[in-house]
Amino acid sequence: DAGITQSPRHKVTETGTPVTLRCHQTENHRYMYWYRQDPGHGLRLIHYSYGVKDTDKGEVSDGYSVSRSKTEDFLLTLESATSSQTSVYFCATLGQGRNTGELFFGEGSRLTVL
Amino acid sequence: DQQVKQNSPSLSVQEGRISILNCDYTNSMFDYFLWYKKYPAEGPTFLISISSIKDKNEDGRFTVFLNKSAKHLSLHIVPSQPGDSAVYFCAASEGNYGQNFVFGPGTRLSVLP
Repeated sequence: DAGITQSPRHKVTETGTPVTLRCHQTENHRYMYWYRQDPGHGLRLIHYSYGVKDTDKGEVSDGYSVSRSKTEDFLLTLESATSSQTSVYFCATLGQGRNTGELFFGEGSRLTVL
Repeated sequence: DQQVKQNSPSLSVQEGRISILNCDYTNSMFDYFLWYKKYPAEGPTFLISISSIKDKNEDGRFTVFLNKSAKHLSLHIVPSQPGDSAVYFCAASEGNYGQNFVFGPGTRLSVLP
């Protein structure tokens, strides 16, 4: 268990409002990721970070931005939420040492955009 | 086009029997494969992995088989238990960096008592 917590766990918002999801990890893992899970699509990568202030885009990055000011925190922001961003969002970290190559996931944040 | 496919959205198996979950991929550069298990309202958890230098990896009741020529892998669970009921995601990667992982759509396994 990589000690990953996501907040909020559930959020309902309206189209056009900004939303920020927070991911906090306690394992000092270098790599962090944001995925979204939608039926029929599995998990798709939105953005990832390979260190403090170092981030890059994933497969479905449009409409999302991220920031990582500390090793333990990775924020996902929807500047202006749309109904297509209704999804379950998962944060993950990449294991190190004997867990190299293994992704550890948080419990998810369910976002509904009305 | 999906690079990782799990063509069975759901599977039901009797307790004690073998569960076989299948996964196909299209990218011949993939060399690292994983299975994740997900319960409702929880995040996915790592189950088992295999690199392309092997064709089989076992961990207790779970065995993953890799057929590189067919671009196919399968997860065998023997014997199946009701607690194995979950959604199983197959993932493939070129190298073992998380940003390269491509996930399949998942198969929902129901193990019936």
